[in-house]
Amino acid sequence: DIQMTQSPSTLSASIGDRVTITCRASQSINNWLAWYQQKPGKAPKVLIYQASTLENGVPSRFSGSGSGTEFTLTISSLQPDDFATYYCHQYDSYPYTFGLGTKLEIK
Amino acid sequence: EVQLVESGGGLVQPGGSLRLSCAASGFAFSRFTMNWVRQAPGKGLEWLSCITSGSGTIYYADSVRGRFTISRDNAENSLYLQMDSLRPEDTALYYCARSRLGSDLDYWGQGTLLTVSS
Repeated sequence: DIQMTQSPSTLSASIGDRVTITCRASQSINNWLAWYQQKPGKAPKVLIYQASTLENGVPSRFSGSGSGTEFTLTISSLQPDDFATYYCHQYDSYPYTFGLGTKLEIK
Repeated sequence: EVQLVESGGGLVQPGGSLRLSCAASGFAFSRFTMNWVRQAPGKGLEWLSCITSGSGTIYYADSVRGRFTISRDNAENSLYLQMDSLRPEDTALYYCARSRLGSDLDYWGQGTLLTVSS
């Protein structure tokens, strides 16, 4: 199975900050990576798919990059609505796997 | 509007069985691969299983293979997860999710809670 190592597990930041979350795959997954945002009591919501494609309706302050085994999610200027937990997800091969999540907290 | 509504969760004793359902609407259900994903309380996401549009291909996570069975009824726009030999570690919120043309999971339901406890 492909292991997804996500870091950091917790991130404290302030409104307006630029933040980056990293996800590393245990083997190449090409560009078959998605990023999800999850708020308490809600289902995950896709932000980015195919490593860098922004989902319709997602603010442009979110961006994704990377290929192969190293990927990043960047939020260019944190807004109050962005404080949530973020997960990476590989869909290159089954079983699909997720990172353990990054909880983005207000500093 | 795409909607996925899970049902069937509840409290089950260890060793018991339960069947979850997911009612889909707002899209051509029969064209899409569908998935089950779960989230234990306070934990991350765990993909469990998927079934292709015509039920021709099915995959499972090791943690549920042999105990859980995914199925679908395209005439009823419904997805199912039959869960047998349930364990306390199966306690979680169970989501159904649509695969975007064999890609990521673009729509999710709100989940149904399973608790396995004596």
